[in-house]
Amino acid sequence: DQQVKQNSPSLSVQEGRISILNCDYTNSMFDYFLWYKKYPAEGPTFLISISSIKDKNEDGRFTVFLNKSAKHLSLHIVPSQPGDSAVYFCAASASRTSGTYKYIFGTGTRLKVLA
Amino acid sequence: GAGVSQSPRYKVAKRGQDVALRCDPISGHVSLFWYQQALGQGPEFLTYFQNEAQLDKSGLPSDRFFAERPEGSVSTLKIQRTQQEDSAVYLCASSLRPSNSPLHFGNGTRLTVT
Repeated sequence: DQQVKQNSPSLSVQEGRISILNCDYTNSMFDYFLWYKKYPAEGPTFLISISSIKDKNEDGRFTVFLNKSAKHLSLHIVPSQPGDSAVYFCAASASRTSGTYKYIFGTGTRLKVLA
Repeated sequence: GAGVSQSPRYKVAKRGQDVALRCDPISGHVSLFWYQQALGQGPEFLTYFQNEAQLDKSGLPSDRFFAERPEGSVSTLKIQRTQQEDSAVYLCASSLRPSNSPLHFGNGTRLTVT
């Protein structure tokens, strides 16, 4: 049972435009969400997080939106740059509400930013 | 070092051999996680430590997998009698606090079982 889903395996965007990466989840106990970027042969790098008490968090070019009623979050990258080309993972945890500590990851979306 | 360090980066084992993978977390981080990542998939949870206590090992796929963190810092993931299906990248991550705290990953160990 995939509790965190990234339904788009890949996405191509022109440099300078907006990249929107989507993530859906099924467990209503999730209360903390994160986005990671991963380059080949490296570990995932933390980008941005959001707690369930918020619906938006912004850090530079990266903004995460959370829609709890739809159990959906998205990552917006504006403007997109060629160096943003990587695989992006969303992750979720329910540690405050359920006492479990694990973070559940989606299967990833490969973003390609075209110069 | 400033980040999470894992060794070795690459490991090739013959089927049936035992392997040990090491993780040096960020100093002062309470929480330590092990994940397994197969090609084209997201990281899959294996086990979690809070200091030296292993609080969750629900993701370990079989009793051939064993992890420890005896002094609440360095951790070792051991796989006994390796099988081909164990081939994957094994990622270690640490976080400052047990909850609502980002995981910081190492670069992983790529295990290939032949």
